[in-house]
Amino acid sequence: QVQLQESGPGLVKPSETLSLTCGVSGYSIRSGYYWAWLRQPPGKGLDWLGNIYHSGTYRNSSLESRLTISMDTSKNQVSLTLKSVTAADTAVYYCARGRYCNGDSCFFDFWGQGILVTVSS
Amino acid sequence: EIVLTQSPGTLSLSPGERATLSCRASQSVSSRYLAWYQQKYGQAPRLLIYGASSRATGIPDRFSGSGSGTDFTLTISRLEPEDFAVYYCQQYGTSLTFGGGTKVEIK
Repeated sequence: QVQLQESGPGLVKPSETLSLTCGVSGYSIRSGYYWAWLRQPPGKGLDWLGNIYHSGTYRNSSLESRLTISMDTSKNQVSLTLKSVTAADTAVYYCARGRYCNGDSCFFDFWGQGILVTVSS
Repeated sequence: EIVLTQSPGTLSLSPGERATLSCRASQSVSSRYLAWYQQKYGQAPRLLIYGASSRATGIPDRFSGSGSGTDFTLTISRLEPEDFAVYYCQQYGTSLTFGGGTKVEIK
């Protein structure tokens, strides 16, 4: 059974950089599939941030200049870095496995439990 | 960007009743690339349906999806107590977008 677990700081100051890691167990990320980051502001709906595959990354155009997604196959983990955060970036951040993907188009069959990140001074 | 509009915003029903949730797209969703998720409070979303009508692994057959083009439906044939949650549709035919959600609450 594939399991995903997000980790990172729960509080980030405005203008600083948010960094999260998603550890994957039960599957080797080097073997394939897309891996994604999504977020959900408190009380709101789901937003897709970006996907990564061994051949490249796909990012939501609204975040492209601030967002980096990377993968470390030796640690079997995927990472997210979001620069210059504001209060609008406060959300629960999820990592997920993408299925039937074509670039930035996927649905998601396994999800991490999510991590709440609050942007505040 | 394809905008997904879910209706109703809230559905108040009793256990045992049938739930019908709608997801309407601003333009046609190619190849019926439409998924449905269930999210309970404080939990991650769970995949229910993909390809508009294919149930994900382990999903009970009381959940069914239908539709094509711009109109899609999630039906829960008989609500169980554990089905009261928020449901989201998501299209993955052209990039990907989520609907705003339908809350199914106990009447």
